Amino acid sequence: ETGVTQTPRHLVMGMTNKKSLKCEQHLGHNAMYWYKQSAKKPLELMFVYSLEERVENNSVPSRFSPECPNSSHLFLHLHTLQPEDSALYLCASSQESGISYNEQFFGPGTRLTVL
Amino acid sequence: ELKVEQNPLFLSMQEGKNYTIYCNYSTTSDRLYWYRQDPGKSLESLFVLLSNGAVKQEGRLMASLDTKARLSTLHITAAVHDLSATYFCAVVGPDTGNQFYFGTGTSLTVIP
Repeated sequence: ETGVTQTPRHLVMGMTNKKSLKCEQHLGHNAMYWYKQSAKKPLELMFVYSLEERVENNSVPSRFSPECPNSSHLFLHLHTLQPEDSALYLCASSQESGISYNEQFFGPGTRLTVL
Repeated sequence: ELKVEQNPLFLSMQEGKNYTIYCNYSTTSDRLYWYRQDPGKSLESLFVLLSNGAVKQEGRLMASLDTKARLSTLHITAAVHDLSATYFCAVVGPDTGNQFYFGTGTSLTVIP
């Protein structure tokens, strides 16, 4: 257990569905991240939130919409996805300071399949 | 964009043998992380290397960092089956804020 939980663990959705992924961290961290892990590709950073404000958006399609209501919770809202969006979506958190950047702690992931 | 390369991508080794995984990165960084991922599971932090010449050891794994060569190594000593997993290195660039750049991973299989 890393202190980062994700729900659901598995999700199957059609291309016209709307769903949301949830991440919660119990570590008191002030930064949270969404990553996409596809087969045979490096982890791709999707979004970064620091102090509940989005600071990175790595050219992610608008069909992915993040939300960070507070420092402990992070959501990824999904709509009109494509089959190529099927992947493992990982949430992570870290404690960021102005001096050093600490390791990121990852949740167990949500295995998403888009039909 | 900062590029991170790992090699080998796949590694099959017998129990009891030694081997090294390499992680090269393209621009200056003074911070490097190693993670382990078991099939179907999330990433588990193994080592954080924060300065040139840093060396960390945990059990049969030892990681080192050479910032001048832009190279980190993960050395496996006397491998056991439980070490079978995928190992990732990740680098933070000097001007990339808190963005981690991950390598492609090395899939390690230890054969009894």
